[in-house]
Amino acid sequence: EVQLVESGGGLVTPGGSLRLSCAASGFTFSGSSMNWVRQAPGKGLEWVSSISSSSSYIYYADSVKGRFTISRDNAKNSLYLQINSLRAEDTAVYYCVKDYQAGVVAFDCWGQGTLVTVSS
Amino acid sequence: DIQMTQSPSSLSASVGDRVTITCQASQDISNYLNWYQQKPGKAPKLLIYDGSNLETGVPSRFSGSGSGTDFIFTISSLQPEDIATYYCQQYDNVPYTFGQGTNLEIK
Repeated sequence: EVQLVESGGGLVTPGGSLRLSCAASGFTFSGSSMNWVRQAPGKGLEWVSSISSSSSYIYYADSVKGRFTISRDNAKNSLYLQINSLRAEDTAVYYCVKDYQAGVVAFDCWGQGTLVTVSS
Repeated sequence: DIQMTQSPSSLSASVGDRVTITCQASQDISNYLNWYQQKPGKAPKLLIYDGSNLETGVPSRFSGSGSGTDFIFTISSLQPEDIATYYCQQYDNVPYTFGQGTNLEIK
């Protein structure tokens, strides 16, 4: 069974930092592109960042470019998101999401999400 | 960025009804369009990928069609468990963008 378990969320003051982690199991992590997608309270879905299986290709939404850094450790089956210079508008549930297959950017497996709250 | 416009934003229908949601892209995205279902308090679930391909395990009452800029998502016979918010998402170009969502309720 595919499992994605996020951790690292919490309450942080504006300008602060957090590192989100996602532990993956049940599939060949090293062969899958991975993503972070977030959802602000009561709002829709927003794609944040993607990383290819070997970390060769990395993409970010403009809203987080320069502040967020996606990375992965295939030996540990883990995905990370370093989030710096946090703003109130970054408050959201952050989901770790697996790509469906090569060439199809469909998000077929989602974690339960970790809540990041940015507030003074 | 490619804008995805869903309509309607909310919808009320009866059990057994045929339900249709549309998604329009601001530019041609071929068939690079997916549909998701999100129930309250839960993570989204992939239903349809590449415009019309049903994800494994998804009931056949769900279907998708379209290409280019105009796409349709259909529930052929609404069931009580289909109450959720539905999102379209394009992957023709980064940033991958979602529609604003359609909140489906039972009448």
